[in-house]
Amino acid sequence: AQKVTQAQTEISVVEKEDVTLDCVYETRDTTYYLFWYKQPPSGELVFLIRRNSFDEQNEISGRYSWNFQKSTSSFNFTITASQVVDSAVYFCALSEANTGFQKLVFGTGTRLLVSP
Amino acid sequence: DAGVIQSPRHEVTEMGQEVTLRCKPISGHDYLFWYRQTMMRGLELLIYFNNNVPIDDSGMPEDRFSAKMPNASFSTLKIQPSEPRDSAVYFCASSERLAWKVDTQYFGPGTRLTVL
Repeated sequence: AQKVTQAQTEISVVEKEDVTLDCVYETRDTTYYLFWYKQPPSGELVFLIRRNSFDEQNEISGRYSWNFQKSTSSFNFTITASQVVDSAVYFCALSEANTGFQKLVFGTGTRLLVSP
Repeated sequence: DAGVIQSPRHEVTEMGQEVTLRCKPISGHDYLFWYRQTMMRGLELLIYFNNNVPIDDSGMPEDRFSAKMPNASFSTLKIQPSEPRDSAVYFCASSERLAWKVDTQYFGPGTRLTVL
C-alpha cells in the first residue's frame, strides 16, 4: 500500500501566485518523520524540511511554509509569491519507527511549473 | 563541508557490460543509502549500510546488482551484466544517527545511467 500520496502530478502557476502542494501519508507508527525534498531541473535532491510526529507546529522559512495536521494525516507545503526558480519536482517522504527511521518512503512527486 | 559525491555523473554503456557507480558519503555520516529513480517506479531504496555493514538489501532488484562499502568513505554499486531496463538515475545518500532519532538523508547529485 502506498504510504505517501501526492495526488497532484503537475501544477502550473504564474509568478507571484501562491501555491500549495499536498501530501497525505499513512502509517501505523505513532513516531515517524516527514520530509520534503526539492528536485530542480538539474536533477539533484535538495532537503527542505524534516518534521517529527510529535511536533505539529507549522513552520515558515522565507516564502516556504509547511502545515502538518495529524488529524488528516497531511503535511502540505505552501510557496508564497512563487518564483520561476521554484520550478521543480517536489517530493514528500516518510520514515517510520518500525524501520528504525532509516527507510525513506517517497511520494510520486509533484511537478511545479512557475512561468514568468 | 563537501556534500555526498557521486561518480560518474553520466554513464552510457551497452547491454551486457559491467557498470560501477561510486559514492563518497559526507564525512562523519554512518549511514549510506543507494536509491534508484525511474519514471515508472519513482524513487526506490535499493540498499543501505550502517558503519559499512549492509543492513537491508531487500530493494536490490536482482542478483545482477551488488553493493559494497569497504570503508567509511566509499561505496560502490555494481551492475553486471547491465540491461536496458537498468537505465535510471542512481542516487547515493548519507545520514548520521543521533541517539534515538534519525538525522536527515542528504543526497548526492546522482548518476544518470543509460544502457543501450
